[in-house]
Amino acid sequence: GQQVQQSPASLVLQEGENAELQCNFSTSLNSMQWFYQRPGGSLVSLFYNPSGTKQSGRLTSTTVIKERRSSLHISSSQTTDSGTYLCAMVSNTGYQNFYFGKGTSLTVIP
Amino acid sequence: EAAVTQSPRSKVAVTGGKVTLSCHQTNNHDYMYWYRQDTGHGLRLIHYSYVADSTEKGDIPDGYKASRPSQENFSLILELASLSQTAVYFCASSEPGTVPYTEVFFGKGTRLTVV
Repeated sequence: GQQVQQSPASLVLQEGENAELQCNFSTSLNSMQWFYQRPGGSLVSLFYNPSGTKQSGRLTSTTVIKERRSSLHISSSQTTDSGTYLCAMVSNTGYQNFYFGKGTSLTVIP
Repeated sequence: EAAVTQSPRSKVAVTGGKVTLSCHQTNNHDYMYWYRQDTGHGLRLIHYSYVADSTEKGDIPDGYKASRPSQENFSLILELASLSQTAVYFCASSEPGTVPYTEVFFGKGTRLTVV
């Protein structure tokens, strides 16, 4: 089946530090998306980024399709960035289905 | 902004009872999905649908049924709820655009506790 590996599984930062979250795919993908989830909360779409680099404020997403990977960079972290970051890929092997990684749990301490 | 609404937002069910989770989208999307989320497992696909009156099994369909009576509505049915089905359930919709233009929108989730 489809495999989506996220790393690290958890991360603790001091406020102001930067973070780099990784997502690797075992098969070819059509597109991918990064989500943010607070504990017990719903999923909020951060980036729809099938290829290349996109930036929104302190967040930057880079997807390299040929290398089957995507990254999410958080600069100057804040305590409000704490939560779980999930990546999802859409496989190009038939129907349009989304496959999720297990997420990276980020804790930013003041 | 795309909208996916789930109901109820939380529910306590008795083991062996029937549970129906509902999802409504106003996005005019063809594709709808049901996922469950458990600690340590991320989101796993239960059932999905590409068109009204048709559903497909996802990765973990055992113990669940799905119903898509219209383009807007997609239900998840637990005929005999079990303790192991305690989880948070998410509904989502997407539009099958020209590759790679695909995006998925999620509801706020339903927290189901089976006792």
